[in-house]
Amino acid sequence: QKEVEQNSGPLSVPEGAIASLNCTYSDRVSQSFFWYRQYSGKSPELIMSIYSNGDKEDGRFTAQLNKASQYVSLLIRDSQPSDSATYLCAVNTGNQFYFGTGTSLTVIP
Amino acid sequence: DVKVTQSSRYLVKRTGEKVFLECVQDMDHENMFWYRQDPGLGLRLIYFSYDVKMKEKGDIPEGYSVSREKKERFSLILESASTNQTSMYLCASSLSQGSYGYTFGSGTRLTVV
Repeated sequence: QKEVEQNSGPLSVPEGAIASLNCTYSDRVSQSFFWYRQYSGKSPELIMSIYSNGDKEDGRFTAQLNKASQYVSLLIRDSQPSDSATYLCAVNTGNQFYFGTGTSLTVIP
Repeated sequence: DVKVTQSSRYLVKRTGEKVFLECVQDMDHENMFWYRQDPGLGLRLIYFSYDVKMKEKGDIPEGYSVSREKKERFSLILESASTNQTSMYLCASSLSQGSYGYTFGSGTRLTVV
């Protein structure tokens, strides 16, 4: 079983819609959770981190964490074409990170 | 601004060559990591280091070695490059315990011919 699983997509949403990206993880002692955005040919950049159950909002982005269900999600409100990228979920357990394989998002103008 | 710098953006090397990929961070981070990223396989950890002169194998260390002589610099070495090592190589660093996430370098696209 993979440590971190994401739907690979691709996910397509129209401009202005809400994009919902999901991630599950296997290690119950995981402590920190991150979402990275990666544009084609570029390196991942950190966009959200979340450490406790519930929602965390930052601009158009909302991260949601449910440790009991071992589930973390990212909502992108008012999606823009510039949000088109691959989104990587990462989970920190102790000193090491585990990454999902990413979900490709396309926002259609 | 926090920075991780990889010495080359693109590299083309011949099979059998010894290849050095350099990574420097200016954030005084304890932890440094080398990943490769391939389509459909995601990020795979090659080696990591939690301190100077310290190294640990990741998931795919075969054919690679590393060096960390100074805290800010972490080098990845391909002992004898092969075509299956053609990939995007990403260096990352983090504070101890990784609670603040990784900062990635811009990546090196290595092609072995």
